Amino acid sequence: SQTIHQWPATLVQPVGSPLSLECTVEGTSNPNLYWYRQAAGRGLQLLFYSVGIGQISSEVPQNLSASRPQDRQFILSSKKLLLSDSGFYLCAWRDTILLPYEQYFGPGTRLTVT
Amino acid sequence: DAKTTQPTSMDCAEGRAANLPCNHSTISGNEYVYWYRQIHSQGPQYIIHGLKNNETNEMASLIITEDRKSSTLILPHATLRDTAVYYCIVATYTDKLIFGTGTRLQVFP
Repeated sequence: SQTIHQWPATLVQPVGSPLSLECTVEGTSNPNLYWYRQAAGRGLQLLFYSVGIGQISSEVPQNLSASRPQDRQFILSSKKLLLSDSGFYLCAWRDTILLPYEQYFGPGTRLTVT
Repeated sequence: DAKTTQPTSMDCAEGRAANLPCNHSTISGNEYVYWYRQIHSQGPQYIIHGLKNNETNEMASLIITEDRKSSTLILPHATLRDTAVYYCIVATYTDKLIFGTGTRLQVFP
């Protein structure tokens, strides 16, 4: 069966510090991968999605970047965090062949920028 | 992608059917209706999707009006574990789902 991992679960970082959040998927090949952010009391905002290694689409201009160095690994990064980067970060995957209409979400990372 | 309108919150008694409405009056012909839910502090969970016809799976039923301008998600026998925020999304591509603020469903004993 497929599983998705995100770490860390919670993170407190000072303004101006770098960020690296990692997401890995097991049990599937060549998934589409997604990063979302959810600010407190708000809906989810799609940040990036990837259809393959090294292929990243950015949906919202911001202080963040994403990379996909391996088929089942998706990384969200920032060189200098802003207070507005605080939120709940969710990674998701989709099997474009077997279950093309469904996205599956990981447990999320709750980031607080102080 | 079209926008959706959902009630902010709803209550439902345990064991009764929960009917969650969604308006999507500007939906275009090639856009699907998706439903996800998010239990507190967890990632969203896919529930069901449809294009024109009504759909049913082990979790819920989706009723889409003939003009496709609105839909209803039905949880036939709500349990306390169904308490969550329910998102109605319309989109052409599954890669670009736009989550609004959804409907907060509270199931009470």
